[in-house]
Amino acid sequence: SQQGEEDPQALSIQEGENATMNCSYKTSINNLQWYRQNSGRGLVHLILIRSNEREKHSGRLRVTLDTSKKSSSLLITASRAADTASYFCATEAYNTDKLIFGTGTRLQVFP
Amino acid sequence: KAGVTQTPRYLIKTRGQQVTLSCSPISGHRSVSWYQQTPGQGLQFLFEYFSETQRNKGNFPGRFSGRQFSNSRSEMNVSTLELGDSALYLCASSGNTGGQETQYFGPGTRLLVL
Repeated sequence: SQQGEEDPQALSIQEGENATMNCSYKTSINNLQWYRQNSGRGLVHLILIRSNEREKHSGRLRVTLDTSKKSSSLLITASRAADTASYFCATEAYNTDKLIFGTGTRLQVFP
Repeated sequence: KAGVTQTPRYLIKTRGQQVTLSCSPISGHRSVSWYQQTPGQGLQFLFEYFSETQRNKGNFPGRFSGRQFSNSRSEMNVSTLELGDSALYLCASSGNTGGQETQYFGPGTRLLVL
């Protein structure tokens, strides 16, 4: 399977703590994207990092990319109960809009 | 801009029937992709259309088909439904041709096959 792996599968933290999720993938990529999904609904795009970038920030989100290790991490700082959701990484190959998704991390933030 | 819309939102069918799902992309977007999400297999790519042409196809049987119209709206069809086709079907649209573009997802159609 081309599907990427995410670690951990599930994560429970208190509000205010940081949450880190890791993603590993198998093929060469054009970019890597992170999405959030609430309770089996549609996916919401969080951030895109290109293959020539190593780190990117967006608000409380920080994404890193290590193409030599084929891995990425998503850090959510100062988490909130509203951050409770499943988080997916997705890789995009060159010249295609096809996304290959990871297995997802289910994040639970307790108030 | 209005987001990606999918109809219907929920659908119940029985084995052997066929189903058609519809997706309207964000205005101006020309690429539409379809994904299937199940608890066991996760999110899997079905196919991608651009300017009425299928550009990419995932590893699904021929029972799964799609098309795109000149206004970029897309439909996917599943014939001879099986219990395992029960899933959330997500559609996504993007504006560019060669990647490096955010894909915007619709709310999905939840299909239950009995």
